Amino acid sequence: EPEVTQTPSHQVTQMGQEVILRCVPISNHLYFYWYRQILGQKVEFLVSFYNNEISEKSEIFDDQFSVERPDGSNFTLKIRSTKLEDSAMYFCASKPRSLSTYEQYFGPGTRLTVT
Amino acid sequence: GQQVMQIPQYQHVQEGEDFTTYCNSSTTLSNIQWYKQRPGGHPVFLIQLVKSGEVKKQKRLTFQFGEAKKNSSLHITATQTTDVGTYFCAASFPGYDMRFGAGTRLTVKP
Repeated sequence: EPEVTQTPSHQVTQMGQEVILRCVPISNHLYFYWYRQILGQKVEFLVSFYNNEISEKSEIFDDQFSVERPDGSNFTLKIRSTKLEDSAMYFCASKPRSLSTYEQYFGPGTRLTVT
Repeated sequence: GQQVMQIPQYQHVQEGEDFTTYCNSSTTLSNIQWYKQRPGGHPVFLIQLVKSGEVKKQKRLTFQFGEAKKNSSLHITATQTTDVGTYFCAASFPGYDMRFGAGTRLTVKP
């Protein structure tokens, strides 16, 4: 069964450094998402991406964040100048072509630790 | 912003007891989904409800969508230890994509 993959599984970085989290969505999916989950808390929507542009972003997704689909398979989340409070699990998700199918398929997540 | 409230935050039950978690919104939803996240895992889709008053069942799980499409519930009959995890509702508001509730963490004592 096709699945969303994410790399790395765990990223440790120093405060102020830039990180890039990578995701490979399911191949025939067209809608892509990033979510954040601080340990023990709820899953928070960051951004949705469709047709090579951001379709929606939350208040969390400020100028520190950017997303990119550099080629036909990867979907990346860049965090510039990381802060301690950026430490969280970051999940990528993708959704199939059909607008009537709302199910999102989540990747295993990247645990980001900012020290 | 668009928010959905989910209660309770935690639920600890004895194996065999029932469990229910509720999601509520102040505005009408386009649809609602339910996800389960096992400890250390990622959210996994369980079900989607779209129609007013819809009820769906998956074995011991019963999902309901309110008549006004503002609330939903997930009920588990006779919980088992394999039911342990956090259950999230995820609501879609008209014109917006999904927003997750805070989740209900279920623990089951054997």
